Amino acid sequence: AQSVTQLDSQVPVFEEAPVELRCNYSSSVSVYLFWYVQYPNQGLQLLLKYLSGSTLVKGINGFEAEFNKSQTSFHLRKPSVHISDTAEYFCAVRGLGRNQGGKLIFGQGTELSVKP
Amino acid sequence: EAGVAQSPRYKIIEKRQSVAFWCNPISGHATLYWYQQILGQGPKLLIQFQNNGVVDDSQLPKDRFSAERLKGVDSTLKIQPAKLEDSAVYLCASSLVSGARHTIYFGEGSWLTVV
Repeated sequence: AQSVTQLDSQVPVFEEAPVELRCNYSSSVSVYLFWYVQYPNQGLQLLLKYLSGSTLVKGINGFEAEFNKSQTSFHLRKPSVHISDTAEYFCAVRGLGRNQGGKLIFGQGTELSVKP
Repeated sequence: EAGVAQSPRYKIIEKRQSVAFWCNPISGHATLYWYQQILGQGPKLLIQFQNNGVVDDSQLPKDRFSAERLKGVDSTLKIQPAKLEDSAVYLCASSLVSGARHTIYFGEGSWLTVV
């Protein structure tokens, strides 16, 4: 079984400042890792994913995330945020292997609020 | 390419009434998911279909929720009778196949309020 913990429920930040949204996971099997963004009244959009290879993954809208296997973390970062980045961000995992079914397990979400 | 379509977008019903949500996945996608997202929480899987067969429905409250995907394309999620705690966004999603490498695409959701 897998679980995901997003360490901050809300992150307020000023425009053009850097931001980090923290995510830790636990799993008894190997996993793939994802970050999704949800803008108000909309569905989920994939920001980036880690499947294998380089532990630093770049996504859309200038976001990047780093996979740290020893710390079981997958923190999301952006060096300079914009007002338009205001949204809910979800970290998720998918277990590998035939019996995992391919479903996504989500964290509780982090609300990023960018202020002018 | 058209995305995952859902309807209705918004629905308000009284408790003990019934409601149905419809989903049309991306063309060619064999795997379809229904997630429930309660305000302030992450989405939780209710049911997963592979073509028209159920892969995982372990978290579906079967006494009141049902879902079907009869022809392996569109899907319907029904709640009967609804309870106050069913107020949530119901997200439909699809992927080409169920393998973990394949991206899952989400619809905009159906927002349910039970009063």
